[in-house]
Amino acid sequence: AQSVTQPDIHITVSEGASLELRCNYSYGATPYLFWYVQSPGQGLQLLLKYFSGDTLVQGIKGFEAEFKRSQSSFNLRKPSVHWSDAAEYFCAIASGTYKYIFGTGTRLKVLA
Amino acid sequence: DAGVTQSPTHLIKTRGQQVTLRCSPISGHKSVSWYQQVLGQGPQFIFQYYEKEERGRGNFPDRFSARQFPNYSSELNVNALLLGDSALYLCASSSRIRLLNFSGLNEKLFFGSGTQLSVL
Repeated sequence: AQSVTQPDIHITVSEGASLELRCNYSYGATPYLFWYVQSPGQGLQLLLKYFSGDTLVQGIKGFEAEFKRSQSSFNLRKPSVHWSDAAEYFCAIASGTYKYIFGTGTRLKVLA
Repeated sequence: DAGVTQSPTHLIKTRGQQVTLRCSPISGHKSVSWYQQVLGQGPQFIFQYYEKEERGRGNFPDRFSARQFPNYSSELNVNALLLGDSALYLCASSSRIRLLNFSGLNEKLFFGSGTQLSVL
């Protein structure tokens, strides 16, 4: 069955520190992968997506993610976190042509 | 340009009641999807509508139904509400029916801010 796992429910980092959020997927074919961010009271905003090609994907707000087929992973990274990055982050996979399967999310807290 | 708009933003209902949630897609978008996000979970797919036809359905009971109107707005109906239906209901629109053909970050699913439904 297709699934997305985000092993870390909560992560706390200091402002200016680097960040890596983990995402593992289970999918039989070439995956289409996404990272979304959700701030309180807001909808989901797309940070980046991977369809094919270069395995290192650049997104908005200074985020990047690396697709590793051998590890079934699509981890999100940012070299220097800002206080405004505090939010919940969701990894998702396209399942078929019309729906996404989301992970359970990682809540990021940023310490000043 | 207006984004995806959902109404109402908050709603309180009691068990057994019926509820209708509304969504207006971005102008020009013909595809509307509905997701349920229970507290502490990721969004779960409920329906996709494209050109007023249901194109996909998630693993939800028949108490959940939806429709899309000629102007591409959509309604999600939930009958016989249960406590477990308490969730944030998200609507998303896109210009395409297939969610795999997006190129660039500007082609994507655009999500609304959701309707928070509380069932007491």
